[in-house]
Amino acid sequence: AQKITQTQPGMFVQEKEAVTLDCTYDTSDPSYGLFWYKQPSSGEMIFLIYQGSYDQQNATEGRYSLNFQKARKSANLVISASQLGDSAMYFCAMRGTNTGNQFYFGTGTSLTVIP
Amino acid sequence: DVKVTQSSRYLVKRTGEKVFLECVQDMDHENMFWYRQDPGLGLRLIYFSYDVKMKEKGDIPEGYSVSREKKERFSLILESASTNQTSMYLCASSLPGGAGANVLTFGAGSRLTVL
Repeated sequence: AQKITQTQPGMFVQEKEAVTLDCTYDTSDPSYGLFWYKQPSSGEMIFLIYQGSYDQQNATEGRYSLNFQKARKSANLVISASQLGDSAMYFCAMRGTNTGNQFYFGTGTSLTVIP
Repeated sequence: DVKVTQSSRYLVKRTGEKVFLECVQDMDHENMFWYRQDPGLGLRLIYFSYDVKMKEKGDIPEGYSVSREKKERFSLILESASTNQTSMYLCASSLPGGAGANVLTFGAGSRLTVL
């Protein structure tokens, strides 16, 4: 069975500081993809970053980077130079070769950026 | 540039009513999904479809049904709405595949209140 765990229900960060949002996963799939989504108060889910399980390098997209530690089964999202607009819910998700088309989501972390 | 459209952002229905939530995507995606989002529970998969007229149960299908008569349209049906179905409903679509970077694209969500 696939499982995604986000242990931080809420986080606070000072504007312009970096913040790490934790995500651990459990899977028996030989290969899988890991995703992070942002959900602002408007409700729409926005894709941020993807990491493939066989990718050698950690994924980066602008101010977002994914700290992928395969042996520890963790895929933490790092946001550098936080902005007020980063205040939102953040969800970690996974999709594997054996689960085919299904995506599995964590319970989310609410991030608040303090001016 | 709208890609996944959910017909209603906010709905208020009465207990026992039949409710239709419509979702249309214009990306020619094979896979379509209906999730339910509740605070502290993350996103839970209700149903998904990997082709026209095909459907698979997700984690919480009880009380719901779906219809996919055309590739671009995936409808969620609550045959007899109950108050415990008050929630945010998210439709999404993706290309098929397991571990690849085929992301899930979401609609804006439909917030349903059942009185």
